[in-house]
Amino acid sequence: DVKVTQSSRYLVKRTGEKVFLECVQDMDHENMFWYRQDPGLGLRLIYFSYDVKMKEKGDIPEGYSVSREKKERFSLILESASTNQTSMYLCASSLAGGGNTEAFFGQGTRLTVV
Amino acid sequence: DAKTTQPTSMDCAEGRAANLPCNHSTISGNEYVYWYRQIHSQGPQYIIHGLKNNETNEMASLIITEDRKSSTLILPHATLRDTAVYYCIVRVPSGTYKYIFGTGTRLKVLA
Repeated sequence: DVKVTQSSRYLVKRTGEKVFLECVQDMDHENMFWYRQDPGLGLRLIYFSYDVKMKEKGDIPEGYSVSREKKERFSLILESASTNQTSMYLCASSLAGGGNTEAFFGQGTRLTVV
Repeated sequence: DAKTTQPTSMDCAEGRAANLPCNHSTISGNEYVYWYRQIHSQGPQYIIHGLKNNETNEMASLIITEDRKSSTLILPHATLRDTAVYYCIVRVPSGTYKYIFGTGTRLKVLA
């Protein structure tokens, strides 16, 4: 089974802190994604990566950056956390190969910024 | 990316088939239809996907209309554990590799 593991289930951080959310997948997938999920807004794509050191902005990249130094690991960084970044964060991975490859999701990290 | 339209919520009796519709009238010929579900406080779970032929796996069946403008996910014998939000996604097979989620259908299976 594909496993996508997010480092924390719950996090509480203070405003202005630098926050790292880590995601690791064990299936040698080329593509990795970070989404955030908020009530009434569904899942929104923050960033995705299609290879090591390669990244592209999603729909809501402002206030976030990412790092992919190794194929299996994709990190989401909140440079200076703000209360409007309180959300559920979901990581996913998939094989390359276009539209015929399903994505697998982690269990999510519920981040609260106080 | 093509957008999808789903009903906000549906109920289904336990043991009956649950039929979840999705409209994707602007879909292009090379775009796949994916279905995911999300049980409360968990990450989305892949169910099934297809291009133009009907598909079936151990979880569900996917029926895509001939003009590909709509599809239906069928859970043949719904159980209480199928209560979840179901997302229909249309995904472009090249370029940005994005999965664009809408707000989904909240399915409640009733005992």
